[in-house]
Formats: sequence, C-alpha cells, structure tokens
Amino acid sequence: IQLTQSPSLLSASVGDRVTLSCKGSQNINNYLAWYQQKLGEAPKLLIYNTNSLQTGIPSRFSGSGSGTDYTLTISSLQPEDVATYFCYQYNNGNTFGAGTKLELK
Amino acid sequence: EVQLVESGGGLVQPGRSLKLSCVASGFTFSNYGMNWIRQAPGKGLEWVAYISSGSSYIYYAETVKGRFTISRDNAKNTLYLQMTSLRSEDTALYYCARGRDSYAHWGQGVMVTVSS
Repeated sequence: IQLTQSPSLLSASVGDRVTLSCKGSQNINNYLAWYQQKLGEAPKLLIYNTNSLQTGIPSRFSGSGSGTDYTLTISSLQPEDVATYFCYQYNNGNTFGAGTKLELK
Repeated sequence: EVQLVESGGGLVQPGRSLKLSCVASGFTFSNYGMNWIRQAPGKGLEWVAYISSGSSYIYYAETVKGRFTISRDNAKNTLYLQMTSLRSEDTALYYCARGRDSYAHWGQGVMVTVSS
C-alpha cells in the first residue's frame, strides 16, 4: 500500500486549525498511525488506529478517517508543533507516507 | 523509563557488512516485538524489519530481504540487525523501535554510511 500525504509543505499561524491528509492506494482498514518528527529527533507517536490518542499527547491533536482517506487535525496550532508529520499504515505490510512539513507563517 | 540505545554504525564500503545493536532497558524486553526503521538523510521513514518477542515471526521490507537479518537475544536485552551486501541506498539513520504495529518508543538512531 502506498501512502500519499498532502500538502507536502504547510504554513500556518499560531492558533490556526490545521488539517493534514493521508491517502492510501488501497483500503487501510483504520490501521493508520501518525508520527511527529522534530528536527534532529526521533519520531514521536501521536495517533494510532486512526483516532486513538497516544498517552501524553495533547488533546489538540486528533485523527479521523476510514477506507483510504485519513486526516490528522491540530485544533489550535502551537509554536512547538512545528515539525514534519508522517502517516503510517500497518494494514498490509508497513508503509510510511513521505511527510508533511508544518511551519509557522 | 524505556530506553533504546543503538550502536554499531559507521562508514562502510559498498558490498561489505555491518552489524547494528540496540540495547533495551526499562521494560521487559522479551515481551515485545521489535523493529528497525531507517531514514535516509533529508528523506522520509522506511520500515526495515520486525521480529516478534520470541523470534517466531520475522518480516522484512522488500528492499532489504535476503541481505539483512534481524535477530534478538532476550537474555541480553539486545536487538540486532546484520546487514550484508550493503549499497549506497542503505545509507541512513537506523532506529530501533518497540512494538508490533505502532511505535511509542524509539532509540536515538545510529548512522550508517555506505560509500567508497
């Protein structure tokens, strides 16, 4: 399964509601996770199984979707959210998306 | 506190071999499946291999199948990745990560550079 993330680069302001998209080439059956990677750091798990928030992750992060289309939403962007975000499917094999780089406007 | 510490990286010539290690602490290593995931410089993430807690189930990405071998020693709390026939495209930061499908714990990564 191939994953296509869009946009590849997103500029937003503090306080904005931000939506990142991840589309699979086949049905992912909700076996999708989202990771945040800040510069020079290992990835951090934010969301698993489409919409389950990992322990310790702020509630402004949420996930949704079904079938082939999935979304990560940040309800109110904070400066510390500047990072690259990767989606990851584990329904059929294991595949990461190419990432969305989120920057402050 | 869960800790994963990779080692064994470095500069290696194409066609040669290298073995990575990942020492785990802060949890019962023998209870968890483990993975290697890599990231080429400036690029995205690529899952490489998975080994179940008791080594019964092992899976590889097609890009490394037949060249890389994942293994573990539960008595030593250590995960390994034996890499052979290395290619320039194997140049990456290699992370070990805990879990079967979603990975809440990662090491800091170890760099492998394949170049003549």
